[in-house]
Amino acid sequence: QKEVEQNSGPLSVPEGAIASLNCTYSDRVSQSFFWYRQYSGKSPELIMSIYSNGDKEDGRFTAQLNKASQYVSLLIRDSQPSDSATYLCAVNIRPNSGYALNFGKGTSLLVTP
Amino acid sequence: GAVVSQHPSWVICKSGTSVKIECRSLDFQATTMFWYRQFPKQSLMLMATSNEGSKATYEQGVEKDKFLINHASLTLSTLTVTSAHPEDSSFYICSAVVLRGSSYNEQFFGPGTRLTVL
Repeated sequence: QKEVEQNSGPLSVPEGAIASLNCTYSDRVSQSFFWYRQYSGKSPELIMSIYSNGDKEDGRFTAQLNKASQYVSLLIRDSQPSDSATYLCAVNIRPNSGYALNFGKGTSLLVTP
Repeated sequence: GAVVSQHPSWVICKSGTSVKIECRSLDFQATTMFWYRQFPKQSLMLMATSNEGSKATYEQGVEKDKFLINHASLTLSTLTVTSAHPEDSSFYICSAVVLRGSSYNEQFFGPGTRLTVL
């Protein structure tokens, strides 16, 4: 099984700060990368998708991808207490032959007022 | 948007009974849906890929005779947990893929079904 690794945390940041979440993956041929947010007892909610090297910004969120280093990150600017959740990094399991996802174990983020 | 629904949202059953969980794509057609399982404090693990009009593809270690999947239409996939036992208690989540062009795909999840087997 190809691996997706995340620091489990918890990562604690004060309100208004930047939260930085990191993820590494082992399958070099992976093509599609996703960040999901999961609140306790709920299903994952898609935040960002990224397919090319570089940065992708959407509101307060920025995803960064470096395929050479097999590294993907998520930055959350102006963190809010409502951002407190588990953030899951996901990578396509079988690129070019389906879209099932391999998830990391998630990083727990706590934004303190 | 891409909305996926699941029913029921939670179910409690006795050991040995069978439970059916429905997954529907509400505003799009999904030729492929996925079933995941999440145990407490764990991440999502793919159980199987559900393909409309054909047999499901199961991940290694998932018993196909225990977890029956039927994808009878482009908007409905069902997962039946047969002869459920307490170790099957988990959070079952389905998803469907929205294809945006030839290269981009985004997967949206249903709200999940919490199964408790007594």
